[in-house]
Amino acid sequence: KAGVTQTPRYLIKTRGQQVTLSCSPISGHRSVSWYQQTPGQGLQFLFEYFSETQRNKGNFPGRFSGRQFSNSRSEMNVSTLELGDSALYLCASSLGTGGAYGYTFGSGTRLTVV
Amino acid sequence: AQSVSQHNHHVILSEAASLELGCNYSYGGTVNLFWYVQYPGQHLQLLLKYFSGDPLVKGIKGFEAEFIKSKFSFNLRKPSVQWSDTAEYFCAVPSGSGNTGKLIFGQGTTLQVKP
Repeated sequence: KAGVTQTPRYLIKTRGQQVTLSCSPISGHRSVSWYQQTPGQGLQFLFEYFSETQRNKGNFPGRFSGRQFSNSRSEMNVSTLELGDSALYLCASSLGTGGAYGYTFGSGTRLTVV
Repeated sequence: AQSVSQHNHHVILSEAASLELGCNYSYGGTVNLFWYVQYPGQHLQLLLKYFSGDPLVKGIKGFEAEFIKSKFSFNLRKPSVQWSDTAEYFCAVPSGSGNTGKLIFGQGTTLQVKP
């Protein structure tokens, strides 16, 4: 079956712009989580959605937002981009919410802010 | 708050050497534990996971990990590494107990295997 699909794979944006990243979970998976990966900070949790509801949010400014649609697809949006937002953004999907289900990650979107 | 610590940041081994990567977590309750691997240019892949039962967990590609509750540890092992094991390895645990999709990751260990 198809894995977690993230689009686009690469993105270059200018400071001050906004960006929207997309994630399509594995079919049947209802939980989607987002992570930011940088060399300095490692993997940091952004937010988790389950059945269109945000269940958890990480310690990121309000410029970072997300949503989940009825088909479980999710988007995250970053407004007023800063240079420090350059990172690999990873999406993970799971059958349910909770550690026991396990998580499958997508290939990520590489965002570069110039 | 839950935290995860990986002791080794960069490990260099020759092929056929044995591997052990350390991982300690802070939460003392029921835990689920994961090891993920990220090969160069690729996405995170699940190596193995512990939910309950036998504390010795076997994963893909010959990897195994042992959950030692008294030591809050979940170390990753492989008896004989190959050049293709060169990658970054992450230990992870869900934040707190109960239902949460929030994973706390360790800082990662970069493994370089020399042919």
